[in-house]
Amino acid sequence: GAVVSQHPSWVICKSGTSVKIECRSLDFQATTMFWYRQFPKQSLMLMATSNEGSKATYEQGVEKDKFLINHASLTLSTLTVTSAHPEDSSFYICSASPRDRVNEKLFFGSGTQLSVL
Amino acid sequence: DAKTTQPTSMDCAEGRAANLPCNHSTISGNEYVYWYRQIHSQGPQYIIHGLKNNETNEMASLIITEDRKSSTLILPHATLRDTAVYYCIVRSTDKLIFGTGTRLQVFP
Repeated sequence: GAVVSQHPSWVICKSGTSVKIECRSLDFQATTMFWYRQFPKQSLMLMATSNEGSKATYEQGVEKDKFLINHASLTLSTLTVTSAHPEDSSFYICSASPRDRVNEKLFFGSGTQLSVL
Repeated sequence: DAKTTQPTSMDCAEGRAANLPCNHSTISGNEYVYWYRQIHSQGPQYIIHGLKNNETNEMASLIITEDRKSSTLILPHATLRDTAVYYCIVRSTDKLIFGTGTRLQVFP
C-alpha cells in the first residue's frame, strides 16, 4: 500500500528556534497533503491543507506565519514551526492520498513529536 | 462534514468480536463513513470505509444501517494489538476531520 514518510520522528529544540518537519509520499504523487497536530489525550486537529505549487490553506485559528508550509514537489511537503515556544510542543502528523477524491483513503505519516524547552 | 458520536471507551475480551458503534444521524447522501485507528504515539491507520453498502476487508467489517444514520465497525477476533483509539469519520471533502473516538481496550 501507499506509504507516507515523516521525518524526524521526534525533535527537541530550544525556545525561539525554528523546526522543520518533512512529509514525503514514497510511492505516489500527492497534489494535496494535510497537516495535523495532536496534544496528549486529545484528538487530531487539522491545521492546514498543503497544495503543491500554491499557498497552503489554513484552518481557522492557525497562524500561517507561525506554521509555514511549503509543498515544493508532488512528493514533499514541509511544515516549519517558527520561533517555537513550549506551547508548540505537540505531536505533528501529515497525511496524503494518491488521488484527491472523497472515496480515496488518506495515508498518514508516523508523526513527529516536538518538544520545545 | 456531518458530526459523529461514539462511546468514549469500550472493553473487549481477546478473541471475541469487538463491535464499535457510531452515530451519524445528520449524514448526507454523498458523505462516506471512514474508520481509522490510532495506537499510542503513532499516526492513524486506515481500517475501512463505505458509502451505503456493508464492507469487509482483512481487518474489519463495516455495517451501515439502511438509513445511513449509524454504523458499526466489527473486529471479528480482537487481539491485544487491537487496543487503540478508533475514529469514525464522515467525509464529504478531501479533508478528514477527527472526532474524539472510542478508546478500545482489549483484555486477556
